[in-house]
This record gives sequence, structure tokens and C-alpha cells, in this order.
Amino acid sequence: AIQLTQSPSSLSASVGDRVTITCRASQGISSALVWYQQKPGKAPKFLIYDASSLESGVPSRFSGSGSGTDFTLTISSLQPEDFAIYYCQQFYSYPYSFGQGTKLEFK
Amino acid sequence: QLQLQESGPGLVRPSETLSLTCSVSGGSISSTTYYWGWLRQPPGKGLEWIGTIYYSGGTYYNPSLKSRVIISLDTSKNQFSLKLSSVTAADTALYYCARHVPVTIFGVPMMGWFDPWGQGSLVTVSS
Repeated sequence: AIQLTQSPSSLSASVGDRVTITCRASQGISSALVWYQQKPGKAPKFLIYDASSLESGVPSRFSGSGSGTDFTLTISSLQPEDFAIYYCQQFYSYPYSFGQGTKLEFK
Repeated sequence: QLQLQESGPGLVRPSETLSLTCSVSGGSISSTTYYWGWLRQPPGKGLEWIGTIYYSGGTYYNPSLKSRVIISLDTSKNQFSLKLSSVTAADTALYYCARHVPVTIFGVPMMGWFDPWGQGSLVTVSS
């Protein structure tokens, strides 16, 4: 099974900051990776697919990159509504798996 | 707009079977385009894929749960269901249903991401 490791596990930042979250796969997964945002008490929200394509309606301050084993999610200028937990998920091979999550907190 | 809603008991006794239903509105689970999945999230923890079903009834289960899981469809009610047997406290979680979106990468068909999700149903396993 493919393991996804996110770093950091938590991150403190301020409004306006640029932040980057990393997701590393235990083996190559091409670009078969997506990112979700989860706010307290809510279901995950789909943000980015195929590692770097922005889902319709997602603000352009979000971007994704990477291929193979190393991937990043970047928020160019943090907004108050961006403080949440972010998860990566691979769909390259079964069983489909998620990273452990990165909690983005207000500094 | 597609919406999903989980329903079922919030408390299950150890060793019994957890049963949840996902009601789908705004779209048909008989669609040949999409799959339908179940996922869970233990309190304060990360996400785990449980399994997925196709309109034909074909199923795909996480090997870690496969011996205890059954996912089924009821096309007449536009619902799909999850049964997890022999539950323990470790099965206490928020259970989500979601549409599982297929995708093709470099010409290879894959089951992709989950979107949208239901709001989740908290199931506690306790005597």
C-alpha cells in the first residue's frame, strides 16, 4: 500500500503569509494526487486534482505542484477562511490513501 | 447540485454490525459515469477509505477492512449502504459517503477523488 506523509503536521501562520505544505508518497504515483481542505465540523472540500489543476471555484491563491513522489500545496496569500486542515490523497493504486493531514493555525 | 446524506444509528454495541445508508439527491447512482464511496474519520484523526461501489454492483474494498465490509446499492431509492460487522471501539468514527470520481491519466482509467461528500454520520461503538 502507498503511504503518504505530509509535512509539517501543523503550521502557524498569519493572514497574508505564503505557506507551503508537502506530501511525499512512499512510491511513485505520477500525478495521481489531490488535495482537500477540511474545516471544523465539516466534510473535506476538494481543492486540487491531478496534483496541480485547480477545481472550479477554488481561489487562485491555491496552487499545487509535483509529480512522482513529492508534491506541494501552496497558498500564496493566506486569508482568514484558509485556516483549516489540509489532506492529500493518492489514487494511483488501490487501496486509495490519504496523508495524515496538516493543520494550518493562526499565529 | 448533487447532495449526499448519511443516516443510521449513532451507537452500535461491540461485536455487532454497523449499518449506514447514503441518500443521493440531484443525480442518479445508476449513472455509468461515477462510483460511490464510503470513508471514515476517527475523532481527531485522519481519513480512511473504506470501499467503493459501481452502478453495476461491482465493489472495491480496503484490504484492511475487506473481511468485515459490505457495500450495496438500492437504485429504486437512489441510495447506497455500508455494513461493517464485528465492530470494536476502533471503529468509532465519523462516517462519510461521497461520489468517487473516475479519471484517466495518460490514457489509463483510474478511480480518482471524492467529491462531493455528505456531512458525515458519527458512529460510536460502546456497550
